[in-house]
Amino acid sequence: DGGITQSPKYLFRKEGQNVTLSCEQNLNHDAMYWYRQDPGQGLRLIYYSQIVNDFQKGDIAEGYSVSREKKESFPLTVTSAQKNPTAFYLCASSIDLGPSNQPQHFGDGTRLSIL
Amino acid sequence: GDSVTQMEGPVTLSEEAFLTINCTYTATGYPSLFWYVQYPGEGLQLLLKATKADDKGSNKGFEATYRKETTSFHLEKGSVQVSDSAVYFCALVISNFGNEKLTFGTGTRLTIIP
Repeated sequence: DGGITQSPKYLFRKEGQNVTLSCEQNLNHDAMYWYRQDPGQGLRLIYYSQIVNDFQKGDIAEGYSVSREKKESFPLTVTSAQKNPTAFYLCASSIDLGPSNQPQHFGDGTRLSIL
Repeated sequence: GDSVTQMEGPVTLSEEAFLTINCTYTATGYPSLFWYVQYPGEGLQLLLKATKADDKGSNKGFEATYRKETTSFHLEKGSVQVSDSAVYFCALVISNFGNEKLTFGTGTRLTIIP
């Protein structure tokens, strides 16, 4: 079965620590995305990537970094510069960035908490 | 900028009741519109979509019609079930020469009581 796998499901970060959230897809999709979900708010776009070795900042990129070395993988690093990292993080993918192919596949998310 | 406004939740209904979740949008162009559903502890799943005015998206008994004149995309279902309990997100995307991104509403939590 094709899909998106996010790991871990739960993650805890100490103050001043960087943590990396994994996102892998076997759908052969070109485009991948990272969203942050906070209670009572919609999803906010952190970063997105249209193709390997290319990525763009979304609406709330500060304190985050990404890489796209392989088509299947789009890891997100939450750096110590992100002062309010506690949230539910969702990874998504789509065939490409065209309007009729917008994110139709989401992972099950990673919940990040601060110790 | 582009935005989506959903009705405030939470919404609580009895099983077999009629459901409407309102969604209106503001957009500079002609968006494609989507409804996503998020079940507890999971990611989002695309529920239905419509790409042009007067299109009706439908799936799993849910329907939504793209109304350009009222800039709305209300979600409806004639008879809800307990298994429909979830958070529902309305979203739009504007064509932007291959740089399209989704804009989400804040979500509406739906609880169905047996």
